[in-house]
Amino acid sequence: AQSVAQPEDQVNVAEGNPLTVKCTYSVSGNPYLFWYVQYPNRGLQFLLKYITGDNLVKGSYGFEAEFNKSQTSFHLKKPSALVSDSALYFCAVSLGGYQKVTFGTGTKLQVIP
Amino acid sequence: NAGVTQTPKFQVLKTGQSMTLQCAQDMNHNSMYWYRQDPGMGLRLIYYSASEGTTDKGEVPNGYNVSRLNKREFSLRLESAAPSQTSVYFCASSEGGGGYEQYFGPGTRLTVT
Repeated sequence: AQSVAQPEDQVNVAEGNPLTVKCTYSVSGNPYLFWYVQYPNRGLQFLLKYITGDNLVKGSYGFEAEFNKSQTSFHLKKPSALVSDSALYFCAVSLGGYQKVTFGTGTKLQVIP
Repeated sequence: NAGVTQTPKFQVLKTGQSMTLQCAQDMNHNSMYWYRQDPGMGLRLIYYSASEGTTDKGEVPNGYNVSRLNKREFSLRLESAAPSQTSVYFCASSEGGGGYEQYFGPGTRLTVT
């Protein structure tokens, strides 16, 4: 069975500081990994995904994520946080093909002005 | 290009009532999904349709039925609503299966009293 863990329910960061939202995964095989963002009262929006290749994946709005196979992690990062980045972030994993996608429980990011 | 649309946006039901949540996508996607989102639980897959004419159970299918009406439309039916089905419901679509990013609708907030 596949699973995703987002160990922090909430992350607080000051505006302008770098941010990291953590994600670890468990899957038997080569993973497809995703990050999504959800603003209040909205559906999820795709940010970025890892399929294969470079371990550093760049996505929308200046976000990037680092794939680490040995630590089975896929942490989301941004060099300089904006207040508008405040939202709920979800990590997700799949084995691709017609396999299901499993989502984490989400991490609330609060960027403090 | 509306993306993924869902109706209704809000609904209040009494225990035992039935209703159908409608979802449509205009991106010519093959796969469609229904999720429910509950606090602290992340997104849980109810049913999905890998392609037109097929449907499969997800993680929490009990109490729900689905119909893939055509390539564009995927409906979710609650035959006899229960308070435990109070949740926010999201429809999503993707070009293919688990290796593709999903596009989400705005959600339906359902309360069962």
